[in-house]
Amino acid sequence: AQRVTQPEKLLSVFKGAPVELKCNYSYSGSPELFWYVQYSRQRLQLLLRHISRESIKGFTADLNKGETSFHLKKPFAQEEDSAMYYCALSTYGGATNKLIFGTGTLLAVQP
Amino acid sequence: DSGVTQTPKHLITATGQRVTLRCSPRSGDLSVYWYQQSLDQGLQFLIQYYNGEERAKGNILERFSAQQFPDLHSELNLSSLELGDSALYFCASSVGLTPGTEAFFGQGTRLTVV
Repeated sequence: AQRVTQPEKLLSVFKGAPVELKCNYSYSGSPELFWYVQYSRQRLQLLLRHISRESIKGFTADLNKGETSFHLKKPFAQEEDSAMYYCALSTYGGATNKLIFGTGTLLAVQP
Repeated sequence: DSGVTQTPKHLITATGQRVTLRCSPRSGDLSVYWYQQSLDQGLQFLIQYYNGEERAKGNILERFSAQQFPDLHSELNLSSLELGDSALYFCASSVGLTPGTEAFFGQGTRLTVV
């Protein structure tokens, strides 16, 4: 079964502290993984995707196929990073084209 | 602005009623996805349409149905509403069939069933 697991509902850190938002996936095929972010009162938007191997707003995420993980990291958290973060798995195959989301982690960066 | 428009923004209705949520995708996007977001369930994938055809189904109840019209806008119909259907319903669109390209989300429709 295809599944995305984000074990933490809430992650609270102080400004300047490192951040790691955990994401594990279950998928038998070749995964495409994404992180989406939802700031307060704004719509859900793409933060980064694993195929781009890019750093956005200081965030990076590395796909670890051995551990089936795609954790989101940032070395120094900023208050403006406070938001809801969703890990998502893209599956494609015949009739099963889906973008499956985890339950999300609320990141709260304290001053 | 993602270019995805959802109407209405808010909807309050009684149990047993039927409502229709509407989504206009970004210009040029052929895929439309519907999601339900509730406090304890996160974002649940409901259904996907591509160029007018249903392509994938998630955890969509039989009381719910959707369609995508020739002009590519989509409607999600929710019938025999129950209190537990109260949630934020999101629509997203992407260019291609595979969601491996970026999906753009609307602002959502907040449905309250009383």
